[in-house]
Amino acid sequence: ETGVTQTPRHLVMGMTNKKSLKCEQHLGHNAMYWYKQSAKKPLELMFVYSLEERVENNSVPSRFSPECPNSSHLFLHLHTLQPEDSALYLCASSRATGSPADTQYFGPGTRLTVL
Amino acid sequence: GQNIDQPTEMTATEGAIVQINCTYQTSGFNGLFWYQQHAGEAPTFLSYNVLDGLEEKGRFSSFLSRSKGYSYLLLKELQMKDSASYLCAVVDSNYQLIWGAGTKLIIKP
Repeated sequence: ETGVTQTPRHLVMGMTNKKSLKCEQHLGHNAMYWYKQSAKKPLELMFVYSLEERVENNSVPSRFSPECPNSSHLFLHLHTLQPEDSALYLCASSRATGSPADTQYFGPGTRLTVL
Repeated sequence: GQNIDQPTEMTATEGAIVQINCTYQTSGFNGLFWYQQHAGEAPTFLSYNVLDGLEEKGRFSSFLSRSKGYSYLLLKELQMKDSASYLCAVVDSNYQLIWGAGTKLIIKP
């Protein structure tokens, strides 16, 4: 077990729906991440939080809205998505940001399909 | 730009040895990670190299040459459960992880 859980594991939504992805880490880490993983493409970093403060936002469209209420929980709120947003969304955590050897621990991901 | 190159797919036989290569061109270098990802599952940490040379962990070894911008993951005594994707990621000068697209390894009996 990686200590990082994600719900739901699968999600199908229409372009006009609003849904949220949830991530929880049980490792006592201070940093959390959202990644998008598309087939045969590198992981794309979307958002980084350190001690509940957003420290990185890699030009992600505003239809993706993150929320980090505490260091153990991370949400990704979705609204008016496009079919090209269909992908595996991975959450990860690490002890901190800015340390090169800090290993990121991943959750199993949410497989999102936008119709 | 920053770039990580890995083969898209490799096939190997159970019990054999396979080497998965990763070459990188990044703005700075602060280490290289290898992760394993089984289909539909979380990527899991395999190794971290920051100095040149070979590091061995059981059946898996990881090699780094910083001057050549090159790493490889060596898997010995392959088992069917080693069928997975193997992701290479480099820590750049801003301590960001730059990811390769992954190598899908297929093990045949």
